[in-house]
Amino acid sequence: ETGVTQTPRHLVMGMTNKKSLKCEQHLGHNAMYWYKQSAKKPLELMFVYNFKEQTENNSVPSRFSPECPNSSHLFLHLHTLQPEDSALYLCASSPWGGEPYNEQFFGPGTRLTVL
Amino acid sequence: LAKTTQPISMDSYEGQEVNITCSHNNIATNDYITWYQQFPSQGPRFIIQGYKTKVTNEVASLFIPADRKSSTLSLPRVSLSDTAVYYCLVPERPGNTPLVFGKGTRLSVIA
Repeated sequence: ETGVTQTPRHLVMGMTNKKSLKCEQHLGHNAMYWYKQSAKKPLELMFVYNFKEQTENNSVPSRFSPECPNSSHLFLHLHTLQPEDSALYLCASSPWGGEPYNEQFFGPGTRLTVL
Repeated sequence: LAKTTQPISMDSYEGQEVNITCSHNNIATNDYITWYQQFPSQGPRFIIQGYKTKVTNEVASLFIPADRKSSTLSLPRVSLSDTAVYYCLVPERPGNTPLVFGKGTRLSVIA
């Protein structure tokens, strides 16, 4: 595998379910990101990890819980979501965080539907 | 801190050159301008980045006038596969933080 991969690509879950999104990057990068993209809205940055440490949390509700066990893997644990959380969730990586001009490499995204 | 303004949408016929202009009146002295492309249901992809004058790569050219208050992404001879959203980004937040994506310009290429 090359680049940034995300699994699953599609996910349908009920409001009481618990699920996890997985992201893996094969680029040797040190920073990883979670974004949310709702229909007809700009990308919203959710979390930033740099060398496994969370460096940014943009006031994301606690029903979204990120985990970064190492620089290559990033998870987003989901529980008791709301229908308005339905969106495309994108993972990205860059050589290092804390630098606005790093090229970000995005995964294909997970299309999440909350019923 | 700079914010960007770009057209919401544009239409073009195949084979034409497309120019998308972005305004960033408050760009700081040291800021670069970055453009990304996003196809439907995919993550954005870096296209080009520049500081001044002209930058060209295999995908596009970026023209930046001397005052740097705007920039123009130029796509030569577009095809249907260039239909996408194009984002112009400059730093909007202080410190070393990721660029903020706006609404971008939705380019529709028509046969």
